[in-house]
Amino acid sequence: QSALTQPASASGSPGQSITVSCTGTYSDVGAYNRVTWYQVYPGKAPKLLIYDVDNRPAGISIRFSGSKSANTASLTISGLQTEDEADYFCNSYTTSNTYVFGTGTHVTVL
Amino acid sequence: QVQLQESGPGLVKPSGTLSLTCDVSGESFLGDQWWSWVRRPPGKGLEWIAEIHHGGTAHYNPTLRTRVTMSVDRANKQVSLSLFSVTAADTALYYCAKHRAFSFEVWGQGTMVTVSS
Repeated sequence: QSALTQPASASGSPGQSITVSCTGTYSDVGAYNRVTWYQVYPGKAPKLLIYDVDNRPAGISIRFSGSKSANTASLTISGLQTEDEADYFCNSYTTSNTYVFGTGTHVTVL
Repeated sequence: QVQLQESGPGLVKPSGTLSLTCDVSGESFLGDQWWSWVRRPPGKGLEWIAEIHHGGTAHYNPTLRTRVTMSVDRANKQVSLSLFSVTAADTALYYCAKHRAFSFEVWGQGTMVTVSS
């Protein structure tokens, strides 16, 4: 299975909004509403930000939101803050009963 | 609150077997529960390796399927991973994770494994 495609990097100034895309196929992103997003700081455990495309777990800031259209999912970070500087990965369940991660996006706060 | 703690050898020789254990605490380890292993090679992205249900059903990443086995020990509340015929490409930070439906809700801190002679 091929990794989902994400831009290698994204950036924005504090207070701005940025959107990170995650493109897959009809066998993964397009098949189900089972897309998740994770925030990863270097050497740390990933943190679940979004599940089932657009749901936030308890304790996750409303600044993080998710959406999906066809085979592409998106993560939007609103009101960018310095602590948002991290790596972000999407993930999708697939029609083969497996999971596939995105290539990852490094977000820089300018 | 469930906590996960991975443990492993740290260093494995090429062509050898990498064996990792994930200890689960703060959870009854019963019910309709799935667990996964995920890894991150240095400077690269996350890669899903495998998942297992507490009842024993497992699914594997197709690219690793011929070299990996995942198991669950309900009595000791452990989830284990074995990766065979390792190469330098298997050098990574290995995480175990507890599912919530189709998401990886809780993660361990990870254990670093280096494949080198």
